[in-house]
Amino acid sequence: KAGVTQTPRYLIKTRGQQVTLSCSPISGHRSVSWYQQTPGQGLQFLFEYFSETQRNKGNFPGRFSGRQFSNSRSEMNVSTLELGDSALYLCASGSSYNEQFFGPGTRLTVL
Amino acid sequence: AQSVSQHNHHVILSEAASLELGCNYSYGGTVNLFWYVQYPGQHLQLLLKYFSGDPLVKGIKGFEAEFIKSKFSFNLRKPSVQWSDTAEYFCAVNVPSGTYKYIFGTGTRLKVLA
Repeated sequence: KAGVTQTPRYLIKTRGQQVTLSCSPISGHRSVSWYQQTPGQGLQFLFEYFSETQRNKGNFPGRFSGRQFSNSRSEMNVSTLELGDSALYLCASGSSYNEQFFGPGTRLTVL
Repeated sequence: AQSVSQHNHHVILSEAASLELGCNYSYGGTVNLFWYVQYPGQHLQLLLKYFSGDPLVKGIKGFEAEFIKSKFSFNLRKPSVQWSDTAEYFCAVNVPSGTYKYIFGTGTRLKVLA
């Protein structure tokens, strides 16, 4: 069974730009969650999608948004990038009440 | 708001030493508890989980964790660490607040010296 895939793996953007990250969950998984990982902050929950609907949302500004498609693939968008958005963005699939399977992440650097 | 605290941010041990990583959470109701590990260059993966029953749970690679409800704690232990245990460890709580939401701790970086 293929694991969670995320593209791209690395991104460099400048302040003010926007970025879209993609995540393909494990086949059969309908839940996709997104996290921001930074040193010292751990993993901070962004949002969770289930069957194309946002089911949970963390405490991030509206510049962070996401969506899920009918094939369960998910995208995350960050608009008007700030320096503080530099982080590893992780996607996880699986049940939200049980084990989550993580992808390798997308390393975003904002200059 | 619910939170998870991992008090040890960096731990350095010699091989064969015993390990205990602390994890405390703040939520008075039922929770599911997890420990995840991130080896260098690898994905986060599940070490062990607790939902109910025996509060002492065993995971992969010789790790175990004990849930102490009265202390809101879920500490991770291993009697004898190996160099290959060098990794970052994350405690996580899953709170059934209407719909489940994962809350992760800030992580503990473990370095095991050969």
